[in-house]
Amino acid sequence: GAVVSQHPSRVICKSGTSVKIECRSLDFQATTMFWYRQFPKKSLMLMATSNEGSKATYEQGVEKDKFLINHASLTLSTLTVTSAHPEDSSFYICSASRDGYEQYFGPGTRLTVT
Amino acid sequence: AQRVTQPEKLLSVFKGAPVELKCNYSYSGSPELFWYVQYSRQRLQLLLRHISRESIKGFTADLNKGETSFHLKKPFAQEEDSAMYYCALETSGSRLTFGEGTQLTVNP
Repeated sequence: GAVVSQHPSRVICKSGTSVKIECRSLDFQATTMFWYRQFPKKSLMLMATSNEGSKATYEQGVEKDKFLINHASLTLSTLTVTSAHPEDSSFYICSASRDGYEQYFGPGTRLTVT
Repeated sequence: AQRVTQPEKLLSVFKGAPVELKCNYSYSGSPELFWYVQYSRQRLQLLLRHISRESIKGFTADLNKGETSFHLKKPFAQEEDSAMYYCALETSGSRLTFGEGTQLTVNP
């Protein structure tokens, strides 16, 4: 149990467009979901924390108007990168927690902005 | 601000040899520490957490508050242990701060 999926696994978009990434908990209800960003050969950096039905809490330095997070249900959170630019190209990973005890990670989404 | 440091980006050992992956942290609060592992082409998964004080796949880690360390150890490395290992510190709201990771290679 405790499987988290992400869709799409890879996406290429043109500069200036927006792209949405979905994160789903497949077999449990996630009270909290987290979004991370990973640069090549670097660590995961927490971008934001979202609780179902509440506004996301963003980490310092993360633009909330650029990275829109929605957690509309206990099994789905979405990250929308608005007006994407090449510097937004990265690997985006979500995780989900059902009880605050353990985070279960998704497989990640590779975003390339051309 | 909290910080997690893994000084070794790469670590290579032979099968059957002991292995130690180092992790140091800085945090003003009471630390909750974890080790996560990512095998090739797989997602990140929890290996162990200090509060459990358990051994998983032969790995153990002891929290040393005096040295602010949480090193991961295994007495006899196996080839299947080859993976990327991340040390992580949990702060308020279950937020995780990750170290930069250590790529462990166990040679036959």
